[in-house]
Amino acid sequence: EIVLTQSPDTLPLSPGERATLSCRASQSVDSNFVAWYQQKPGQAPRLLIYGATSRAMGIPDKYSGSGSGRDFTLTIRRLGPEDFAVYYCQQYGSSPRTFGQGTKVEVK
Amino acid sequence: QVQLQESGPGLVQASETLSLTCNVSGDSIGSGYHYWSWVRQAPGKGLEFLGSILYGGGTLLNPSLRSRLTISVDTSKNQFSLRLHSVTPADTAAYFCARDLGRSGSYNAHGFWGQGTLVTVAS
Repeated sequence: EIVLTQSPDTLPLSPGERATLSCRASQSVDSNFVAWYQQKPGQAPRLLIYGATSRAMGIPDKYSGSGSGRDFTLTIRRLGPEDFAVYYCQQYGSSPRTFGQGTKVEVK
Repeated sequence: QVQLQESGPGLVQASETLSLTCNVSGDSIGSGYHYWSWVRQAPGKGLEFLGSILYGGGTLLNPSLRSRLTISVDTSKNQFSLRLHSVTPADTAAYFCARDLGRSGSYNAHGFWGQGTLVTVAS
C-alpha cells in the first residue's frame, strides 16, 4: 500500500500568514489522485481539494493544491481563525486508499 | 443534497461483532453510480480507510482488516452497513460513512460525510 507522510506534524502560524503543508507518497500516485481534507474537533472531515489541484464546491480560493508524482502541497493563503484545524492528505489512485497522519495548523 | 447518518450501538464487548449502518438521503445507493465508504478515527489519532462498496461493482477492503470486515448494501432501505468481527479495544474509534464526490477517476475522493459515531469496545 502507498504510505503518505505529511510534514510538519504541527505548524504554528499567526492569522494572516500563509500555510504550506506537504504530503509525500512512498511511490508515485496514479493520475495524481490526491485529496486534502480539513477536520475540526468533533467534526467530520471536509473535502477541500481533489485530483491534487481541484477545489471542492464551496471551498474558497485561498486554498490551493499542487504537486504530482510523489510530492503534493496544500497552500492556505492568509490564515483566518476558521483555518486552524488538522489537515489530512489522501491518495485514492491505488487500493487501499490511504491517509497521511495529518498536519495540525495551530495559532502561534 | 446527499446526507449520510451513521447509526448503531455505542458500546460493543470485545470478541463480538461491531455493526453499523449508514442511512442515505438525497441519493440512491442502488443507482450504482458512487462508491460508499467507511473511515474510522481512533481517539486522538488520524483517519483510517476501512473499505468501500459500489452497488453492482463489489467491495474494496483495507487488507489489514479484510479478514474481519464486511461491507454490504440494502437498496430497499437505501443504506449500507459495516460489520467488523472479533473486535478488540483497538477498534474503539469514531466511525464515519462517506460517499465519493463523483463516479470515477479524480472524483473518487470522499465528498460527503456523515457526522460520525463513536464506538467503544469494552474489554
